[in-house]
Amino acid sequence: DGGITQSPKYLFRKEGQNVTLSCEQNLNHDAMYWYRQDPGQGLRLIYYSQIVNDFQKGDIAEGYSVSREKKESFPLTVTSAQKNPTAFYLCASSIVGGKNTQYFGPGTRLTVL
Amino acid sequence: DAKTTQPTSMDCAEGRAANLPCNHSTISGNEYVYWYRQIHSQGPQYIIHGLKNNETNEMASLIITEDRKSSTLILPHATLRDTAVYYCIVSTPAGSYQLTFGKGTKLSVIP
Repeated sequence: DGGITQSPKYLFRKEGQNVTLSCEQNLNHDAMYWYRQDPGQGLRLIYYSQIVNDFQKGDIAEGYSVSREKKESFPLTVTSAQKNPTAFYLCASSIVGGKNTQYFGPGTRLTVL
Repeated sequence: DAKTTQPTSMDCAEGRAANLPCNHSTISGNEYVYWYRQIHSQGPQYIIHGLKNNETNEMASLIITEDRKSSTLILPHATLRDTAVYYCIVSTPAGSYQLTFGKGTKLSVIP
């Protein structure tokens, strides 16, 4: 079964700790994305990557970091510099130059105590 | 600036057609209209997209007005599982990262 996996589904951390959210896809997509969603709001783009070893900041990159060492993986680190990290985090992937259809993972709900 | 305008919420009776409107009066000639939906606490799911012709797939139909300033997503026979937030997005395929998700329309399908 092809798709995107995110783990864990729920994550709790203490304030001041860095935390890394996992995102893996086996769709052979070149592009991957990270979004943040706050209650009752739409999605906001954090980072995206269109090729291995390259990534760009989205609208709200401050306090976050990413890496893209493998095509299948795009982990997101929420650093202690992110002032309001509690949110629902969604990872997506797509082909580059295609229909612009993004496929989303199930999301990780991060709560910082 | 919001590129699309959608009603905040809508109700639809189970088994009836759900018609979700979207205004995109500033759409440019090379921008497509995309529809996604998000069931509570899940990732968004792609539904359909179109440029200027009406489109239909196994999930829904997309009707785009001739001037392309508005569109309607039609779920022909709504079920309880169609209860979700529906997002209308305008974007160009080349700019695949430029999917701006607003607040969407919360569709409630009622038994």
